[in-house]
Formats: sequence, structure tokens, C-alpha cells
Amino acid sequence: DQQVKQNSPSLSVQEGRISILNCDYTNSMFDYFLWYKKYPAEGPTFLISISSIKDKNEDGRFTVFLNKSAKHLSLHIVPSQPGDSAVYFCAASSFMDSNYQLIWGAGTKLIIKP
Amino acid sequence: DSGVTQTPKHLITATGQRVTLRCSPRSGDLSVYWYQQSLDQGLQFLIQYYNGEERAKGNILERFSAQQFPDLHSELNLSSLELGDSALYFCASSVTGEANSPLHFGNGTRLTVT
Repeated sequence: DQQVKQNSPSLSVQEGRISILNCDYTNSMFDYFLWYKKYPAEGPTFLISISSIKDKNEDGRFTVFLNKSAKHLSLHIVPSQPGDSAVYFCAASSFMDSNYQLIWGAGTKLIIKP
Repeated sequence: DSGVTQTPKHLITATGQRVTLRCSPRSGDLSVYWYQQSLDQGLQFLIQYYNGEERAKGNILERFSAQQFPDLHSELNLSSLELGDSALYFCASSVTGEANSPLHFGNGTRLTVT
């Protein structure tokens, strides 16, 4: 039972354009969402997060949008740069069994074409 | 550099053997997590410790065990190894272990079971 789904295994975008990475979730109890970026041979790196009480959070070229009614969040990168080529993971958190549980999507590989 | 150190980087061993993976968290972080990533799949949460105590358990097999020591470093022990245990094992740390405390990942230990 995948509670967090990233339905696109890969995405190819032209340099300078907008990259939009999507993530869907099923559990309405999730209260915090995070995006991580991963380069080959390295561990994931935290990128940006959003609380469920907000619908948008922006940090430089990165913006995360949350649509709670649709149980959908998206990460926008604009403009896309070659260094953005990586695997992007969406993760969602909820408080269960006296602890925060973090559930991860399978990742989307973003390729920025020059 | 995330500040999280994992050793060794690579490990090749035979089926039936036992190995120990080591993790030193980022300075000041009290919580340590272990994740498994198999063949370009998503991150599977194994176990979390906070200040020496087990806090949460994920999909960790009974053949696997972990602990966090008083100096906050952690070890993941994998025994009776099977071919299917070949994977990247990541350690991550965070300050509080709560949802709004992003994880900082090491670069992983690649385990190959032959």
C-alpha cells in the first residue's frame, strides 16, 4: 500500500524552463511534507518542506505547492539548471504510535537538457 | 558535506555472513535513522533511534538489528545475509527526530552479497 506516490519515474526538461515534479498521497493525516534531492553515489539532501497548514512555500528557485483537497503536492523549479539533474524524492510525515513516521515516494529522475 | 559519516563505503561478502555498518551522525543531532535502497527503488525505512533509545521501527527484518551508543554513533548489524540484502544502506540524522527536523544523510554503504 503506497501512501506516497510519485507516478513519473523520470522527467526531461529543457534548461531554463520550469520543472514540475508531482507527488500524490492517500493519508489525510499527513501533516508535513518534504522534498529531497539525490545525486548518484550520494545520500539525499533536504530541499524544501511545507506544513499542511500552508499551501505554498518558496525558497529561491524552488516552490512547493500543496493541494490538500486533492491530496497532491508539487515541486516547481524555475528556471531549471543542469545541476538540477537528480532524483527527487517526496516524503510525508504523520504522528503515529507516539512518533513521527516519514513515508517516502519512489522518486522521480529529473534530466535537464542543455 | 552533510556531516554524517558512514563506513565502510563498500562491502562485499558471501551469503550467510554477518556484517556491521557504522554511522556517525552530524554534530548535535540526537536522532539516527537507517534506510535501505534496493536497485533504484525508493527509500525503505528500517529503524530510528533517539538519544540511545529505539524510537520507531519500519520494515526491518529480524535478521537485522541496530543500536545507538552513548556517543550517539550507530551500528546496523545484518546477519545470515541473503542475495536480496544487496542494497545501499543509508544512515541519516536529525536534531529532534520530529517532522520539521530535516534529515541529513550520509553517502551510504553499498553492500553486495555474493
